Amino acid sequence: DGGITQSPKYLFRKEGQNVTLSCEQNLNHDAMYWYRQDPGQGLRLIYYSQIVNDFQKGDIAEGYSVSREKKESFPLTVTSAQKNPTAFYLCASSGLRQVYNEQFFGPGTRLTVL
Amino acid sequence: QKEVEQNSGPLSVPEGAIASLNCTYSDRVSQSFFWYRQYSGKSPELIMSIYSNGDKEDGRFTAQLNKASQYVSLLIRDSQPSDSATYLCAVNRGQGAQKLVFGQGTRLTINP
Repeated sequence: DGGITQSPKYLFRKEGQNVTLSCEQNLNHDAMYWYRQDPGQGLRLIYYSQIVNDFQKGDIAEGYSVSREKKESFPLTVTSAQKNPTAFYLCASSGLRQVYNEQFFGPGTRLTVL
Repeated sequence: QKEVEQNSGPLSVPEGAIASLNCTYSDRVSQSFFWYRQYSGKSPELIMSIYSNGDKEDGRFTAQLNKASQYVSLLIRDSQPSDSATYLCAVNRGQGAQKLVFGQGTRLTINP
């Protein structure tokens, strides 16, 4: 069954802690992305990666870090430097071999800071 | 001016009618356009993509693109209660790894 998985579904963090959100895909997609969604808002791009061991900052990268050691995996760390981390985090992936490539989303992780 | 603008709604449509959702974008070089449906508490689901001026139909959904007016729309025919959701418009900033820019979404309610 091809798709994108994210874990955990819900995550609670105390202030000052770093947490890591998992994203895995078995679609053989080259590109992976992390977005953040706040209530009543659209999605904002945090980081994206087109190839293993390379990634670029999106619009709101401050306070976040990523790695891309495997094609299938793109974990996101929310650091204590992120001032307002409570949000819905969405991972997406897409191919790169066509001119236009559609992005598909995982189920999301809802992070709450206590 | 926001890069991608949508009327946040809520838009209320009777069952069986046509729902019309609109989106405008500011970057003239944008090349591809997407509509996502998002149910409450769930992740976005891609329902339509369009790249050329004109209409693209898929079942009850029709996407319309007018690059000269920087306008993209989604029509849902024979609206069903299951179409009640938030619809997100997304625009591609460039080719390759797509840096999508999203509108804030339009909340649609279909009334039985």
